[in-house]
Amino acid sequence: EAQVTQNPRYLITVTGKKLTVTCSQNMNHEYMSWYRQDPGLGLRQIYYSMNVEVTDKGDVPEGYKVSRKEKRNFPLILESPSPNQTSLYFCASSLFGGQLNTEAFFGQGTRLTVV
Amino acid sequence: AQSVTQLGSHVSVSEGALVLLRCNYSSSVPPYLFWYVQYPNQGLQLLLKYTSAATLVKGINGFEAEFKKSETSFHLTKPSAHMSDAAEYFCAVSEPPSNTGKLIFGQGTTLQVKP
Repeated sequence: EAQVTQNPRYLITVTGKKLTVTCSQNMNHEYMSWYRQDPGLGLRQIYYSMNVEVTDKGDVPEGYKVSRKEKRNFPLILESPSPNQTSLYFCASSLFGGQLNTEAFFGQGTRLTVV
Repeated sequence: AQSVTQLGSHVSVSEGALVLLRCNYSSSVPPYLFWYVQYPNQGLQLLLKYTSAATLVKGINGFEAEFKKSETSFHLTKPSAHMSDAAEYFCAVSEPPSNTGKLIFGQGTTLQVKP
């Protein structure tokens, strides 16, 4: 089954404790991205990757890191989480970046709480 | 910069009534527009997309949307609401100029369906 898998689904952590949210897709998609969803703000892009070893900042990259060593994986890293990073996070993938009508597939989401 | 505005953060309809969710976009070039649905505790799922082939777009679950360039609108409709349609709906536009592949989302509209 074609899917984007995120882990964990739920995470409560303390300020400053490094964490990684994993994302994996099995559709051989080139383009992957991370969004955060906050009430009243919709989804905002954090980082994206056009292909392996190619990543770039989205609209709200501060406090986040990503890597793309393999095509299928795109982990999101919070080196020193803060309470303002409490949010619902989604990983998404699509066949190509820059192809404007390409459908994006989303993971189930990771609800992160930083206390 | 591209932007998307969804009018009404909450819409409530009775089962069997018409569903109308409003979306307006700003774009200096022909846009690619999408509607996504998010059911509770799930990721986003594509409902339909406009790619300039036809102004009236049919999607899954009986939803459709009409692209009106003169009004810069892409409203989502369904003739008869079902209880299972209760979810959050997001309108989104692809950003063309830089070809980042980014989706720009509206704030979301929560649809409540009353029995």
